[in-house]
Amino acid sequence: DGGITQSPKYLFRKEGQNVTLSCEQNLNHDAMYWYRQDPGQGLRLIYYSQIVNDFQKGDIAEGYSVSREKKESFPLTVTSAQKNPTAFYLCASSIPFTSRGYTFGSGTRLTVV
Amino acid sequence: AQSVSQHNHHVILSEAASLELGCNYSYGGTVNLFWYVQYPGQHLQLLLKYFSGDPLVKGIKGFEAEFIKSKFSFNLRKPSVQWSDTAEYFCAADRGSTLGRLYFGRGTQLTVWP
Repeated sequence: DGGITQSPKYLFRKEGQNVTLSCEQNLNHDAMYWYRQDPGQGLRLIYYSQIVNDFQKGDIAEGYSVSREKKESFPLTVTSAQKNPTAFYLCASSIPFTSRGYTFGSGTRLTVV
Repeated sequence: AQSVSQHNHHVILSEAASLELGCNYSYGGTVNLFWYVQYPGQHLQLLLKYFSGDPLVKGIKGFEAEFIKSKFSFNLRKPSVQWSDTAEYFCAADRGSTLGRLYFGRGTQLTVWP
């Protein structure tokens, strides 16, 4: 079955270290997205990519970086510049400009100690 | 700026009570609307979506939502809730004709007492 795989499910890192979250999809979707979920704040868009080798900042991109070298993959790096990185991170994909909606991964919970 | 507002942050109901969760979006033009649910410890699931056509949309698990363009609203309803409906509910919207970015409301935590 097609879907989105996020790994790992739980991730612990020391303060000041960069960490990369994986997101892979086999849905042949062109667009991919990274969201951050915090209690009481809903989901906020970090970065999105409509096509390979192209991506745009979302609403809270500071302290994060992404790459889109392959259609299937959209890794997110949480850098040491992110002041409050502990959160739940969700990856999503879609076929833009269609009515098919969005597919979400199961998320990665990052805890920085 | 585009935004999605959910009026209720926490709703507490008894089983069999009726549910209505409010959602408003802030921009005109073509818009696609979604309701997602997140059960405790689980990932986001799509309840229903509106793209065009009949403004009354039926989703899974007995949920429905009505798109009222004049009110910029997309409220979620269920006539009789169950304990298993306890979850967090998110309203979301995107501009169907442009970038496909999805904007979320802050979520409503629904607690249903048996």
